[in-house]
Amino acid sequence: QITLKESGPTLVKPTQTLTLTCTVSGFSLSTGGVSVGWIRQPPGKALEWLSVIYWDDDKLYSPSLRTRLSITKDTSRNQVVLTMTNMNPVDTGTYYCAHSSLGVDAFDVWGQGTTVVVSS
Amino acid sequence: DIQMTQSPSSVSASVGDRVTITCRASQGIRNLLAWYQQKPGKAPNLLINVASSLQSGVPSRFSGSGSGTDFTLTISSLQPEDFATYYCQQTDSFPRTFGQGTTVEI
Repeated sequence: QITLKESGPTLVKPTQTLTLTCTVSGFSLSTGGVSVGWIRQPPGKALEWLSVIYWDDDKLYSPSLRTRLSITKDTSRNQVVLTMTNMNPVDTGTYYCAHSSLGVDAFDVWGQGTTVVVSS
Repeated sequence: DIQMTQSPSSVSASVGDRVTITCRASQGIRNLLAWYQQKPGKAPNLLINVASSLQSGVPSRFSGSGSGTDFTLTISSLQPEDFATYYCQQTDSFPRTFGQGTTVEI
């Protein structure tokens, strides 16, 4: 059974850097075709795709956030880490990580999400 | 970026109704479209992939169709557990953009 779980700070101050960790189980981050993505959702608003990392360490980012995002993975620890610099109150919301694989491409399994509030 | 536009933004319906949600892409995306259902306080759940392929465990009252730029999600007979917000997402190119959502309410 594939599961993902996000963790990280609940409260971040403006200008700080956010670091979120997605811990996965039921699959390996090194299995061919596997990818893990990050998606966020401001309160009461739509989903926004942020970034994805593939089994071969290929990485893609949202163009609008490209300069602020970094995604990495630690296969031995079954973790994917997303960092977002220069946090702003508009970055407040729920952040999800999710699994996909080549041939599916959509996110077929999601974590429960973690809420991040940006406030001084 | 490919823009995804859903309509309507919200729809009021009753149990047993047939509900159709439309998603339009700003450029052709072949059949590379997914539909998700999200209930309040929960993560989205993948319903349909590649426009019309129902995910395992998803009730057959859900169906999807379309290709190119125009897509639809249909719920043939609305059930109480179907009241939720639905999102489309294109998986043709990066960034993988979502629609703004359609809320199905009583």
